[in-house]
Amino acid sequence: DVVLTQTPVSLSVTLGDQASISCRSSQSLVYSDGNTYLKWYLQKPGQSPQLLIYEVSNRFSGVPDRFIGSGSGTDFTLKISRVEPEDLGVYYCFQATHDPLTFGSGTKLEIK
Amino acid sequence: EVKLQQSGDELVRPGASVKISCKASGYTFTNYAMYWVKQSPGQGLEWIGTIIPLIDTTSYNQKFKGKATLTADKSSNTAYMELSRLTSEDSAVYYCAKLGARDYWGQGVMVTVSS
Repeated sequence: DVVLTQTPVSLSVTLGDQASISCRSSQSLVYSDGNTYLKWYLQKPGQSPQLLIYEVSNRFSGVPDRFIGSGSGTDFTLKISRVEPEDLGVYYCFQATHDPLTFGSGTKLEIK
Repeated sequence: EVKLQQSGDELVRPGASVKISCKASGYTFTNYAMYWVKQSPGQGLEWIGTIIPLIDTTSYNQKFKGKATLTADKSSNTAYMELSRLTSEDSAVYYCAKLGARDYWGQGVMVTVSS
């Protein structure tokens, strides 16, 4: 199974500052069709996960441009510029390139 | 508006089975795969399996084979997941989700296995 290793496990950020989360895969996430099926989710307390980024760097409809996904192959990053109070929660990366589909273990973002 | 409405929380005895539903609306149910995801208490997310309603094809995470059975009723636009031989390890929140470039998730069903 593909293992997605997220770092850090938790992150405490001052409002207005930038946050950066890493997701490293045990295998390349480039699919045979050339696409990379790596997503980022935010799960706010008591809610279902919500999609932020799909295929590495594409923002889902309505997601602020403060959220930027990047990376390739096995190394991916989610950057959140100008952190706001509504950004708190647990961030997960997710890969749908390989079977079984797998999630990272999560990064908890707290506001200082 | 796409909506996935899941059934209510369940309290079940060890060894029993439970069947969770996920009613889809706002899109053509048969045309899109439905995914099921488990979130154990205080833990991360695990993909259980996927069903394609149009052709009744299922794909399971090996870990959940024999534990979860996915079905779909095209007449009512509802997907189901049955969990069998329940143990305390199965106590979790279970989500259905329509994944893709446009993602939609159900609200989750908490299953508690307890005598």
